Amino acid sequence: IMLTQSPATLSVTPGESISLSCRASQSISTNLHWYQQKPNESPRVLIKYASQSISGIPSRFSGSGSGTDFTLNINRVEPEDFSVYYCQQSNSWPLTFGSGTKLEIK
Amino acid sequence: QVQLKESGPGLVQPSQTLSLTCTVAGFSLTSYNVHWVRQPPGKGLEWMGVIWNTGGTRYNSALKSRLSISKDTSKSQVFLKMNSLQTEDTATYYCARDRGGPFAYWGQGTLVTVSS
Repeated sequence: IMLTQSPATLSVTPGESISLSCRASQSISTNLHWYQQKPNESPRVLIKYASQSISGIPSRFSGSGSGTDFTLNINRVEPEDFSVYYCQQSNSWPLTFGSGTKLEIK
Repeated sequence: QVQLKESGPGLVQPSQTLSLTCTVAGFSLTSYNVHWVRQPPGKGLEWMGVIWNTGGTRYNSALKSRLSISKDTSKSQVFLKMNSLQTEDTATYYCARDRGGPFAYWGQGTLVTVSS
């Protein structure tokens, strides 16, 4: 299953609210997870199963979607949010990741 | 707490075999699955394979012919072996534990460079 993330890069000002997209090549129900990766760090899971929150992750991160279209929302971007975001599906083998969206400061 | 740590050679010659170890703490390998994920420099993430808590394995078909994952439960270690390495196998290699879906815990990663 291919996951297509858009945009590849998003330039925003801190305080803006944004949405990142992840589209699957076939239906994956809600078996979609979102990660954040900062430079020289391991990825960190932000949202599981499309919309379920993760303990310890700020409430400004939320997810939605099912089937083939998914969205990660960040409500009022903070300076520490500038990093790369990946989606990943666990619906079928092989497990796959999207190519990532880089969130950068405008 | 849950910890995973990868170790292995930083440099491997082309055509040689890569051997990595993931040493875990804070959980038992008889209860949780451990995956290997790699990331070429400046690029995205690629899932390589998993060893189940039961000891079974599943591999990415793109790597299946070259890849082997095993474990020593008594030592809390998971092993990755991949043969016939090429320059495109240069990457940071991560081990990660799932939580019934997402990769909830990750190691720090180990950079492997394939070069003569």
